[in-house]
Amino acid sequence: NAGVTQTPKFRVLKTGQSMTLLCAQDMNHEYMYWYRQDPGMGLRLIHYSVGEGTTAKGEVPDGYNVSRLKKQNFLLGLESAAPSQTSVYFCASSKQTTSGRETQYFGPGTRLLVL
Amino acid sequence: KNQVEQSPQSLIILEGKNCTLQCNYTVSPFSNLRWYKQDTGRGPVSLTIMTFSENTKSNGRYTATLDADTKQSSLHITASQLSDSASYICVVTEGSASKIIFGSGTRLSIRP
Repeated sequence: NAGVTQTPKFRVLKTGQSMTLLCAQDMNHEYMYWYRQDPGMGLRLIHYSVGEGTTAKGEVPDGYNVSRLKKQNFLLGLESAAPSQTSVYFCASSKQTTSGRETQYFGPGTRLLVL
Repeated sequence: KNQVEQSPQSLIILEGKNCTLQCNYTVSPFSNLRWYKQDTGRGPVSLTIMTFSENTKSNGRYTATLDADTKQSSLHITASQLSDSASYICVVTEGSASKIIFGSGTRLSIRP
């Protein structure tokens, strides 16, 4: 199993450009998440999905959109990139549980630089 | 406000030595606490998970403790190895499991 994969690994954008980050998981997990990680701060949840066709906002959703058209894929879109969106983006997935004990499996991250 | 605070921010120790990382939280209600290891340029990997009723959990040379009364957790690393150099992140899940709060991590460097 490849686990959780992310593409691209690194990208440089100019302010105002758009792009889509792709996350794929092969563990048949119901839940998928997008986080951003900035220096000196904990990971912050952008959007998440509890199943195919469903998405929900996390802690810092502004400026981002997501789609979960297939269970194994979770896309994060930036419609008009801003320098404040320079960050490392992590995707994660987990099984569906009712106890909250699910382990999140993280991808390797996408480093985004917005000039 | 639900928060997770970790200390120290960074730590340097010699190979073979032991160390303890701290995590204090104000998350309420509490569901569980996990420790993750994040190597440079990689995603976090789960080390341990503890619920309210568990006060210690081991994973090889890693031992996590939890005091739910004082809302404190620690991660003890025994006989450190160069491969232990990484950031260690404390993560607390709110009781309803609707929110997961990440600490900012402790950056551990092991010197030969």
